Amino acid sequence: EDKVVQSPLSLVVHEGDTVTLNCSYEVTNFRSLLWYKQEKKAPTFLFMLTSSGIEKKSGRLSSILDKKELSSILNITATQTGDSAIYLCAVRPGGAQKLVFGQGTRLTINP
Amino acid sequence: NAGVTQTPKFQVLKTGQSMTLQCAQDMNHEYMSWYRQDPGMGLRLIHYSVGAGITDQGEVPNGYNVSRSTTEDFPLRLLSAAPSQTSVYFCASSVGGIGANVLTFGAGSRLTVL
Repeated sequence: EDKVVQSPLSLVVHEGDTVTLNCSYEVTNFRSLLWYKQEKKAPTFLFMLTSSGIEKKSGRLSSILDKKELSSILNITATQTGDSAIYLCAVRPGGAQKLVFGQGTRLTINP
Repeated sequence: NAGVTQTPKFQVLKTGQSMTLQCAQDMNHEYMSWYRQDPGMGLRLIHYSVGAGITDQGEVPNGYNVSRSTTEDFPLRLLSAAPSQTSVYFCASSVGGIGANVLTFGAGSRLTVL
């Protein structure tokens, strides 16, 4: 059974801190791993990582895929209160038109 | 360009009632899907469709029905609501192929079954 596990489930830090969110997976024929940010409502896309693109960066956010360890990390540097959200990791198994999501990490940034 | 539109945003049902959650997208996306989100469980796939006339089951399909008569619309029907179906429901769509990964989500529909 395809499985995606995120850790920690919840994290509270102070503004300006750097955080690392983890995602590990066990899926059949891995195709890609995605990170989403969910604030009040709909999840919004952050990054997609594949075998041909194992590192992505956008501003203060960056993500790395470790295919050997079957995991990914999402780093956020110099955190701001606007980074407070649930961060979702999802993986696409090969041959499947679907994404398998992890439980999410609830990140709270205190001023 | 509205993206993915879900209605209603909120709904309260009694056990045994039926209802339909509506989902429409105006991006000409081939792929559409329904997820439910429950605390501590992330998003779980209910049903999905890779094109008009084609649907398939996801992880948690029991108690739900879908159809895809047009590219734009993908309604989710609850046949006989149960308290276990209390959840937030998200519709999502994407283009075909590898782009099917990058889902565009609707704003969600919060359903409470009493």
